[in-house]
Amino acid sequence: TQLLEQSPQFLSIQEGENLTVYCNSSSVFSSLQWYRQEPGEGPVLLVTVVTGGEVKKLKRLTFQFGDARKDSSLHITAAQPGDTGLYLCAGAKDDYKLSFGAGTTVTVRA
Amino acid sequence: DAGVTQSPTHLIKTRGQQVTLRCSPISGHKSVSWYQQVLGQGPQFIFQYYEKEERGRGNFPDRFSARQFPNYSSELNVNALLLGDSALYLCASSPFGQGWAEAFFGQGTRLTVV
Repeated sequence: TQLLEQSPQFLSIQEGENLTVYCNSSSVFSSLQWYRQEPGEGPVLLVTVVTGGEVKKLKRLTFQFGDARKDSSLHITAAQPGDTGLYLCAGAKDDYKLSFGAGTTVTVRA
Repeated sequence: DAGVTQSPTHLIKTRGQQVTLRCSPISGHKSVSWYQQVLGQGPQFIFQYYEKEERGRGNFPDRFSARQFPNYSSELNVNALLLGDSALYLCASSPFGQGWAEAFFGQGTRLTVV
Protein backbone atom coordinates (compact mmCIF):
# COMPACT_ATOMS: atom_id res chain seq x y z
CA THR A 1 0.00 0.00 0.00
CA GLN A 2 1.48 3.32 -1.10
CA LEU A 3 1.02 6.25 1.23
CA LEU A 4 1.49 8.67 -1.65
CA GLU A 5 -0.58 8.55 -4.83
CA GLN A 6 0.88 10.18 -7.92
CA SER A 7 -1.08 11.25 -10.96
CA PRO A 8 -1.05 10.91 -13.81
CA GLN A 9 0.91 7.67 -14.14
CA PHE A 10 2.09 8.59 -17.65
CA LEU A 11 2.35 11.95 -19.40
CA SER A 12 3.46 12.57 -22.98
CA ILE A 13 3.66 16.13 -24.24
CA GLN A 14 5.22 18.17 -27.03
CA GLU A 15 8.29 20.32 -26.41
CA GLY A 16 7.26 23.76 -25.22
CA GLU A 17 4.07 22.66 -23.48
CA ASN A 18 3.47 22.87 -19.73
CA LEU A 19 2.76 19.96 -17.41
CA THR A 20 1.75 19.33 -13.81
CA VAL A 21 2.31 16.21 -11.73
CA TYR A 22 0.35 15.64 -8.53
CA CYS A 23 1.25 13.82 -5.34
CA ASN A 24 -1.54 13.20 -2.83
CA SER A 25 -1.94 11.50 0.52
CA SER A 26 -4.29 11.28 3.47
CA SER A 27 -1.26 11.45 5.77
CA VAL A 28 0.59 14.50 7.00
CA PHE A 29 4.29 14.68 6.23
CA SER A 30 7.00 16.70 7.90
CA SER A 31 8.63 17.19 4.52
CA LEU A 32 8.25 16.11 0.94
CA GLN A 33 10.95 15.53 -1.62
CA TRP A 34 10.80 15.34 -5.41
CA TYR A 35 13.21 13.21 -7.41
CA ARG A 36 13.81 12.57 -11.09
CA GLN A 37 15.05 9.17 -12.16
CA GLU A 38 16.38 8.12 -15.55
CA PRO A 39 16.41 4.49 -16.75
CA GLY A 40 19.06 2.40 -14.98
CA GLU A 41 20.00 5.20 -12.62
CA GLY A 42 19.19 6.13 -9.06
CA PRO A 43 16.76 8.96 -8.23
CA VAL A 44 18.27 12.46 -8.20
CA LEU A 45 16.94 14.90 -5.63
CA LEU A 46 15.30 17.98 -7.16
CA VAL A 47 13.85 19.77 -4.14
CA THR A 48 12.71 19.41 -0.54
CA VAL A 49 9.67 21.30 0.75
CA VAL A 50 9.02 21.49 4.48
CA THR A 51 6.50 24.25 5.20
CA GLY A 52 2.77 24.04 4.44
CA GLY A 53 1.95 26.33 1.51
CA GLU A 54 5.60 26.58 0.50
CA VAL A 55 6.41 27.24 -3.15
CA LYS A 56 9.90 26.64 -4.53
CA LYS A 57 11.11 27.44 -8.02
CA LEU A 58 13.99 25.77 -9.76
CA LYS A 59 14.39 27.38 -13.20
CA ARG A 60 11.35 26.09 -15.16
CA LEU A 61 10.20 23.80 -12.34
CA THR A 62 7.79 24.99 -9.64
CA PHE A 63 7.09 22.87 -6.57
CA GLN A 64 4.28 23.46 -4.12
CA PHE A 65 3.55 21.86 -0.74
CA GLY A 66 -0.09 21.85 0.31
CA ASP A 67 -1.22 23.94 3.26
CA ALA A 68 -2.03 20.80 5.26
CA ARG A 69 1.26 19.13 4.25
CA LYS A 70 -0.62 16.19 2.71
CA ASP A 71 -0.08 16.90 -0.97
CA SER A 72 2.31 18.47 -3.42
CA SER A 73 2.57 19.37 -7.08
CA LEU A 74 5.33 19.79 -9.61
CA HIS A 75 4.76 22.14 -12.54
CA ILE A 76 7.12 22.33 -15.51
CA THR A 77 6.91 25.32 -17.83
CA ALA A 78 7.93 25.05 -21.47
CA ALA A 79 9.03 21.43 -21.16
CA GLN A 80 12.14 20.28 -23.00
CA PRO A 81 13.22 16.77 -24.09
CA GLY A 82 15.79 16.84 -21.28
CA ASP A 83 12.91 16.89 -18.79
CA THR A 84 11.99 13.35 -19.81
CA GLY A 85 12.16 10.89 -16.92
CA LEU A 86 10.38 9.29 -14.00
CA TYR A 87 9.31 11.86 -11.41
CA LEU A 88 8.96 10.54 -7.87
CA CYS A 89 7.58 12.22 -4.80
CA ALA A 90 8.64 10.96 -1.38
CA GLY A 91 7.27 11.93 2.00
CA ALA A 92 9.01 11.89 5.35
CA LYS A 93 7.32 11.71 8.73
CA ASP A 94 9.16 12.10 12.03
CA ASP A 95 10.93 8.79 11.59
CA TYR A 96 13.71 7.26 9.59
CA LYS A 97 12.33 6.47 6.16
CA LEU A 98 10.98 7.96 2.97
CA SER A 99 7.68 6.73 1.54
CA PHE A 100 7.63 6.99 -2.24
CA GLY A 101 4.84 7.32 -4.72
CA ALA A 102 4.77 5.00 -7.73
CA GLY A 103 6.04 7.78 -9.98
CA THR A 104 4.94 9.67 -13.08
CA THR A 105 6.68 8.86 -16.34
CA VAL A 106 7.08 12.06 -18.34
CA THR A 107 7.99 12.00 -22.02
CA VAL A 108 8.69 15.26 -23.83
CA ARG A 109 8.68 14.87 -27.60
CA ALA A 110 10.92 17.12 -29.72
CA ASP B 1 33.08 15.11 -4.72
CA ALA B 2 32.33 11.40 -4.72
CA GLY B 3 28.66 10.57 -4.53
CA VAL B 4 27.10 7.36 -3.26
CA THR B 5 28.76 4.37 -4.87
CA GLN B 6 27.21 0.94 -5.17
CA SER B 7 28.67 -2.34 -6.34
CA PRO B 8 28.19 -4.34 -8.38
CA THR B 9 26.08 -2.45 -10.93
CA HIS B 10 24.52 -5.58 -12.36
CA LEU B 11 24.18 -9.10 -11.01
CA ILE B 12 22.53 -12.31 -12.20
CA LYS B 13 21.82 -15.02 -9.64
CA THR B 14 19.96 -18.31 -9.58
CA ARG B 15 16.98 -19.01 -7.35
CA GLY B 16 18.06 -20.19 -3.91
CA GLN B 17 21.43 -18.46 -4.03
CA GLN B 18 22.61 -15.70 -1.73
CA VAL B 19 23.74 -12.21 -2.74
CA THR B 20 25.65 -9.35 -1.09
CA LEU B 21 25.32 -5.78 -2.31
CA ARG B 22 27.65 -3.01 -1.20
CA CYS B 23 27.30 0.74 -0.67
CA SER B 24 29.70 3.55 0.18
CA PRO B 25 27.99 6.72 1.39
CA ILE B 26 28.99 10.30 0.73
CA SER B 27 31.91 11.30 2.92
CA GLY B 28 30.65 12.63 6.24
CA HIS B 29 27.24 10.96 5.95
CA LYS B 30 26.46 8.60 8.80
CA SER B 31 23.15 7.21 7.61
CA VAL B 32 22.63 4.58 4.93
CA SER B 33 19.24 3.34 3.78
CA TRP B 34 18.38 0.54 1.38
CA TYR B 35 15.42 0.54 -0.99
CA GLN B 36 14.04 -1.99 -3.46
CA GLN B 37 12.57 -0.72 -6.70
CA VAL B 38 10.61 -3.13 -8.80
CA LEU B 39 10.08 -2.16 -12.44
CA GLY B 40 7.27 0.36 -12.75
CA GLN B 41 7.09 1.15 -9.05
CA GLY B 42 8.59 3.64 -6.64
CA PRO B 43 11.34 2.55 -4.25
CA GLN B 44 10.25 0.57 -1.18
CA PHE B 45 12.11 1.01 2.11
CA ILE B 46 14.07 -2.02 3.34
CA PHE B 47 16.49 -0.84 6.08
CA GLN B 48 18.06 2.22 7.60
CA TYR B 49 21.31 2.25 9.52
CA TYR B 50 22.64 5.22 11.45
CA GLU B 51 25.89 5.20 13.35
CA LYS B 52 26.16 1.44 12.74
CA GLU B 53 22.84 0.66 14.39
CA GLU B 54 19.65 -0.48 12.66
CA ARG B 55 17.14 2.33 12.96
CA GLY B 56 14.30 0.85 11.00
CA ARG B 57 13.16 -2.04 8.88
CA GLY B 58 10.51 -2.17 6.19
CA ASN B 59 8.06 -4.94 5.44
CA PHE B 60 10.57 -7.45 4.06
CA PRO B 61 11.17 -11.08 5.09
CA ASP B 62 14.03 -12.19 7.32
CA ARG B 63 15.90 -13.35 4.21
CA PHE B 64 16.94 -9.70 3.94
CA SER B 65 19.63 -8.48 6.32
CA ALA B 66 22.09 -5.63 6.40
CA ARG B 67 24.88 -4.12 8.40
CA GLN B 68 26.90 -0.92 8.58
CA PHE B 69 30.63 -0.82 9.15
CA PRO B 70 32.75 1.64 11.21
CA ASN B 71 33.54 3.61 8.04
CA TYR B 72 29.74 3.91 7.46
CA SER B 73 29.73 1.73 4.36
CA SER B 74 27.02 -0.88 4.27
CA GLU B 75 26.13 -4.28 2.91
CA LEU B 76 22.72 -5.71 2.07
CA ASN B 77 22.42 -9.49 2.09
CA VAL B 78 19.59 -11.49 0.60
CA ASN B 79 19.41 -15.24 1.20
CA ALA B 80 17.42 -17.94 -0.60
CA LEU B 81 16.75 -15.71 -3.60
CA LEU B 82 13.33 -15.81 -5.23
CA LEU B 83 12.37 -14.69 -8.72
CA GLY B 84 10.42 -11.85 -7.10
CA ASP B 85 13.63 -10.43 -5.63
CA SER B 86 14.60 -9.24 -9.10
CA ALA B 87 14.74 -5.46 -8.81
CA LEU B 88 16.93 -2.38 -8.69
CA TYR B 89 18.42 -2.11 -5.20
CA LEU B 90 19.16 1.46 -4.20
CA CYS B 91 21.34 2.77 -1.44
CA ALA B 92 20.72 6.25 -0.07
CA SER B 93 23.11 8.29 2.04
CA SER B 94 22.12 11.06 4.42
CA PRO B 95 23.93 13.13 7.04
CA PHE B 96 21.25 12.41 9.64
CA GLY B 97 19.10 9.49 10.68
CA GLN B 98 15.73 11.14 10.16
CA GLY B 99 13.60 10.65 7.09
CA TRP B 100 13.24 14.38 6.61
CA ALA B 101 16.94 14.69 5.93
CA GLU B 102 17.72 14.87 2.24
CA ALA B 103 18.69 11.51 0.80
CA PHE B 104 21.21 11.07 -1.98
CA PHE B 105 20.95 7.88 -3.99
CA GLY B 106 23.53 5.74 -5.71
CA GLN B 107 23.03 4.42 -9.23
CA GLY B 108 21.72 1.14 -7.86
CA THR B 109 22.46 -2.54 -8.32
CA ARG B 110 20.28 -4.30 -10.87
CA LEU B 111 19.67 -7.83 -9.53
CA THR B 112 18.18 -10.43 -11.84
CA VAL B 113 17.17 -13.79 -10.35
CA VAL B 114 16.72 -16.60 -12.87
